[in-house]
Amino acid sequence: DTGVSQDPRHKITKRGQNVTFRCDPISEHNRLYWYRQTLGQGPEFLTYFQNEAQLEKSRLLSDRFSAERPKGSFSTLEIQRTEQGDSAMYLCASSLARGSVYEQYFGPGTRLTVT
Amino acid sequence: GNSVTQMEGPVTLSEEAFLTINCTYTATGYPSLFWYVQYPGEGLQLLLKATKADDKGSNKGFEATYRKETTSFHLEKGSVQVSDSAVYFCALSASGTYKYIFGTGTRLKVLA
Repeated sequence: DTGVSQDPRHKITKRGQNVTFRCDPISEHNRLYWYRQTLGQGPEFLTYFQNEAQLEKSRLLSDRFSAERPKGSFSTLEIQRTEQGDSAMYLCASSLARGSVYEQYFGPGTRLTVT
Repeated sequence: GNSVTQMEGPVTLSEEAFLTINCTYTATGYPSLFWYVQYPGEGLQLLLKATKADDKGSNKGFEATYRKETTSFHLEKGSVQVSDSAVYFCALSASGTYKYIFGTGTRLKVLA
């Protein structure tokens, strides 16, 4: 399987704990994106990387959230001091610049439940 | 700001019925437009795309035409199947940006 992979698929944590999610993009893709999706809503953009550089962050990404992409390969998204409002599906996507259209390919997501 | 508005679901159809899911957008410049589909228990999959006015994207019997004058990108299929039951998301990527802005999704249920 050469698609985008995410780990873990499910995470249950207690409020106040820290969690970290991992995303492995399609190997030749240089752009990587994180989105958050709550029930009944479409995905909302959080941040994006081009290679190892984090080029854009949404206002949704509070100080408790941090994302990294060391060496321009896999990426991690960490949430510190989790709150119940952080419960959502966290989606990762990757793309390769080709022409003027940057199709994003999505992973299966990590479902976070904060109790 | 940039936004996408989709018709609310759920949409329930009988097999072989005609499908239309409306999508309109607000964006500066000339965005690229996409339809993604999410089958139960699976991730988002790109269904089709269009990058400029009057482009028609098509895939698996689904079609959508980029209408600049009405800022719309409605999804259509002539004859739906039970296997088309899923949630459909309209999305845009505005000029000069790479992030996607999604609509809220429309759930389609096709009955045999």
